[in-house]
Amino acid sequence: DTGVSQNPRHKITKRGQNVTFRCDPISEHNRLYWYRQTLGQGPEFLTYFQNEAQLEKSRLLSDRFSAERPKGSFSTLEIQRTEQGDSAMYLCASSPQRARGAYNEQFFGPGTRLTVL
Amino acid sequence: AQSVTQLGSHVSVSEGALVLLRCNYSSSVPPYLFWYVQYPNQGLQLLLKYTTGATLVKGINGFEAEFKKSETSFHLTKPSAHMSDAAEYFCAVSATDKLIFGTGTRLQVFP
Repeated sequence: DTGVSQNPRHKITKRGQNVTFRCDPISEHNRLYWYRQTLGQGPEFLTYFQNEAQLEKSRLLSDRFSAERPKGSFSTLEIQRTEQGDSAMYLCASSPQRARGAYNEQFFGPGTRLTVL
Repeated sequence: AQSVTQLGSHVSVSEGALVLLRCNYSSSVPPYLFWYVQYPNQGLQLLLKYTTGATLVKGINGFEAEFKKSETSFHLTKPSAHMSDAAEYFCAVSATDKLIFGTGTRLQVFP
């Protein structure tokens, strides 16, 4: 078990370009989360999946953002027509699904730092 | 709705001194509470969590926190700071599946 991995670790792009990030969760974790962390702030929830189903999306996730988890394993987060305000650290986390009402601990990856010029 | 307030964006202590990082929460349902640590350019590592049961919880690296419902607080403490404790610390609350984080407290430790 190597933990949650994210690629790339760093991405620099020009405004208006599209970018895609990948997250590989801990194997057998069926829940996967995306968070965004801007400078000087705590992480903010974007969306999460249970297996391949996207169960919740934050209002922070504008139409330019799309997340997928096609086979219930890895996930991608795509940002279209990037803006300077998209510059942030994008964090992925995964958790197992336990009994309903029980807490499911989230394990975080190292993040992808996006810089939009 | 849930929220977290971390008092003090920066805390400085001397090595060997007590560490106290403050966190107050708001939740309409019994919350789960967490403290995470983040080192530069790294992801988040769970220090400790409160779900149910004992209100004083112990975590890794000698940290502990006490859930005080009457004060809606979950302050993080460590009796003796070490240089390696210098990092950003985040308090978080959850009642469902997503985590709601505070804005963080940067801990500096001076020799």
